Amino acid sequence: EIVMTQSPATLSVSPGERATLSCRASQSVGSNLAWYQQKPGQAPRLLISGASTRATGIPTRFSGTGSGTEFTLTISSLQSEDFALYYCQQYNDWPLFTFGGGTKVEIK
Amino acid sequence: EAQLVESGGGLIQPGGSLRLSCAAAGFIFNDYGMTWVRQAPGKGLEWISYIVGGSSSTYYADSVKGRFTISRNNAKKSLYLQMDSLRVEDTAVYYCARDGALGPIDCWGQGALVTVSS
Repeated sequence: EIVMTQSPATLSVSPGERATLSCRASQSVGSNLAWYQQKPGQAPRLLISGASTRATGIPTRFSGTGSGTEFTLTISSLQSEDFALYYCQQYNDWPLFTFGGGTKVEIK
Repeated sequence: EAQLVESGGGLIQPGGSLRLSCAAAGFIFNDYGMTWVRQAPGKGLEWISYIVGGSSSTYYADSVKGRFTISRNNAKKSLYLQMDSLRVEDTAVYYCARDGALGPIDCWGQGALVTVSS
């Protein structure tokens, strides 16, 4: 099983600042990596697929980079609606998906 | 717009059975693989099962293999999860979700809460 590790567990950021979230895979997943946002009481929402391709309707302040085992989600200028949980998911081992443990982005 | 609506959650005793249903709308259901993902209270996301669109081949996480069965009825545009021999640790919100393109999950239901407790 491919293990996905996210860091940090919690990120405290002020509105308007940049947030950088990391995701590491236990073995190479190529570019088969997605990012999701989840707000309290809601289902996750797809932000990024293919490590760097924004999903439909996702603002340009969200960007993804990386390949192989190291990935980054950057939110360039945090808006109030961006404070949420973020998960990475590998699908290289399709359809045996695995998710990271999540990063909570909170208001500093 | 694609939509998924789960039903069938509730409170069940350990060792019991429950069947979740998921109604799909707004897309050609049999063109897509479908999956179940769960989230225990205060915890992260856990993939548990997948069913291919055309062939109905099925896959399971080790944590549910042999106890849960995924199935689909393409004519009814519905996905199911039969859960048997339920354990306290199966308590979670269960999400029905669509595999958008061999991996990224691009559509999620609102979730169905399953509570396993005596």
